[in-house]
Amino acid sequence: GAVVSQHPSRVICKSGTSVKIECRSLDFQATTMFWYRQFPKQSLMLMATSNEGSKATYEQGVEKDKFLINHASLTLSTLTVTSAHPEDSSFYICSARMASGGSQETQYFGPGTRLLVL
Amino acid sequence: AQSVTQPDIHITVSEGASLELRCNYSYGATPYLFWYVQSPGQGLQLLLKYFSGDTLVQGIKGFEAEFKRSQSSFNLRKPSVHWSDAAEYFCAVGATGYKLSFGAGTTVTVRA
Repeated sequence: GAVVSQHPSRVICKSGTSVKIECRSLDFQATTMFWYRQFPKQSLMLMATSNEGSKATYEQGVEKDKFLINHASLTLSTLTVTSAHPEDSSFYICSARMASGGSQETQYFGPGTRLLVL
Repeated sequence: AQSVTQPDIHITVSEGASLELRCNYSYGATPYLFWYVQSPGQGLQLLLKYFSGDTLVQGIKGFEAEFKRSQSSFNLRKPSVHWSDAAEYFCAVGATGYKLSFGAGTTVTVRA
């Protein structure tokens, strides 16, 4: 149980284009989803917290107009990297927290999306 | 603010030997503590967690961790390491708003 998927697993795009990454909780409803960015050999950096039906909360230093987050349902959150540039190349990981039951303090992570901007 | 320190950047251990990964946290109240493992190019898998109660927590894959409030530590252990345990290990503490604050991670290499 508590499976989180991400799509795509890997994407290559040209500079200036936008890329959408989906995060889905497959077997539970997620009140909250989190988006992280991870640079090689480094820890996870929280970008934003996404709550179903409301605007995402961004961490300090994260451009909300560049990283658009939508949490339209209790099982789906999307991250859109707008006008991507090479410096946006990274590993993006989402996590989800259960809406009820189970352990609501626990985050379950997706497999990550590798973004390469040329 | 919450913070996590993993003092060891890289640990190499022989297959079959024991493993201990250190984690120290800073948090004002009773912490929620987690250990996650990440294989190359993958997401994070939850190994175990501590919220309250018994300070020795059992997890998956034969791992256990002990919460020591007096030392602000939550060290991860495994009695006998397998080659498949080679990965990156992250300790995390639960923060306000259900956020997680992660340590820098410890890379574990297993030699034959």
